Amino acid sequence: GENVEQHPSTLSVQEGDSAVIKCTYSDSASNYFPWYKQELGKRPQLIIDIRSNVGEKKDQRIAVTLNKTAKHFSLHITETQPEDSAVYFCAASRTGRRALTFGSGTRLQVQP
Amino acid sequence: NAGVTQTPKFQVLKTGQSMTLQCAQDMNHEYMSWYRQDPGMGLRLIHYSVGAGITDQGEVPNGYNVSRSTTEDFPLRLLSAAPSQTSVYFCASSPNELETQYFGPGTRLLVL
Repeated sequence: GENVEQHPSTLSVQEGDSAVIKCTYSDSASNYFPWYKQELGKRPQLIIDIRSNVGEKKDQRIAVTLNKTAKHFSLHITETQPEDSAVYFCAASRTGRRALTFGSGTRLQVQP
Repeated sequence: NAGVTQTPKFQVLKTGQSMTLQCAQDMNHEYMSWYRQDPGMGLRLIHYSVGAGITDQGEVPNGYNVSRSTTEDFPLRLLSAAPSQTSVYFCASSPNELETQYFGPGTRLLVL
């Protein structure tokens, strides 16, 4: 089955700095890679996703990059703000697997 | 649309008791899943369903049963609660395995 590893487990940055979270996956057939944000006491919510036919996707201050050869994908947050503080989860899936496999999460703290 | 709803929000059980966690969605999604979330371990898949009448096991299915008699509902049954099942349980739904998963608000379960 698929195995997704996520690093770092915690990340502290100053407001305005950039944050990068990296995930690696084991199944070379995986073709869907979403990122979820979970604020304290709330449900996970999708913030961005990428499919294997593209290498990068951006949405305002958030971007995701995918390296299929190395089997890793990363979340980039620029100009971080205190409201970016949350736990971020990466995940992977492929056509026919029928379920997502999640990484263990990264707790991001943005210091004002 | 209410999206994905879960009941109860919080439950305390004694070891050996049984209970059902309810999950419902009004988006006509075929895919529904149950996850448990424990500190430092991310979201682990318990069971999932790809449509009414079809269910399958995830990563950590032991001690849990599911059924899917309608598209809308996907209850999770704990057969004989154990302290190791103390966790936060999230239900999620999506149109398919390669689309956004919409999570419910979660059920916090404490087994004494």
